[in-house]
Amino acid sequence: NAGVTQTPKFQVLKTGQSMTLQCAQDMNHEYMSWYRQDPGMGLRLIHYSVGAGITDQGEVPNGYNVSRSTTEDFPLRLLSAAPSQTSVYFCASRSGTGDGYTFGSGTRLTVV
Amino acid sequence: GQQLNQSPQSMFIQEGEDVSMNCTSSSIFNTWLWYKQDPGEGPVLLIALYKAGELTSNGRLTAQFGITRKDSFLNISASIPSDVGIYFCAGQHLQGANNLFFGTGTRLTVIP
Repeated sequence: NAGVTQTPKFQVLKTGQSMTLQCAQDMNHEYMSWYRQDPGMGLRLIHYSVGAGITDQGEVPNGYNVSRSTTEDFPLRLLSAAPSQTSVYFCASRSGTGDGYTFGSGTRLTVV
Repeated sequence: GQQLNQSPQSMFIQEGEDVSMNCTSSSIFNTWLWYKQDPGEGPVLLIALYKAGELTSNGRLTAQFGITRKDSFLNISASIPSDVGIYFCAGQHLQGANNLFFGTGTRLTVIP
């Protein structure tokens, strides 16, 4: 199993550009989440999904959109990138009965 | 958001030494989790704790769920070079609840 796969690994955007960070898991997990990691602040929840067709906001959702059309995929969209969105983004998934999230290896995004 | 403070922020220790770190919260959690993050990778779950006072081991790692439910502790015995990384605590208010609140991390360096 590949686990949680994130693409791309690195991305540089100009302010105002849009892009989609991809996340796919092959473990048939119901729950999927997006976190951002900034220095000295740990990981903060952006959006999450408890199943296909169901999404909700986390702690820092502004500037991001998500959708969950399949169990496997949970893309994160930046509508109009801002320098404040420079961060490392992690996608994670878990089964409905487990507490331990499996994390992807991250996407390092720089907005200039 | 929830404030989870980890201490120390960083540690430099000699190989073979024991390590202790802790995490405190401003609110009560029903589940405490400990993760380790290697450079360039996502966090990996080490230990999950579900009950106040619980002491759980995973090899050389031992974690405890504080009696007050507002803190947790992680100990690593006989450290080895591969223990290097950032250790995060994370709390959940309800077992299975989607929102994980992460601490700010403890960066561990092991000197051979």
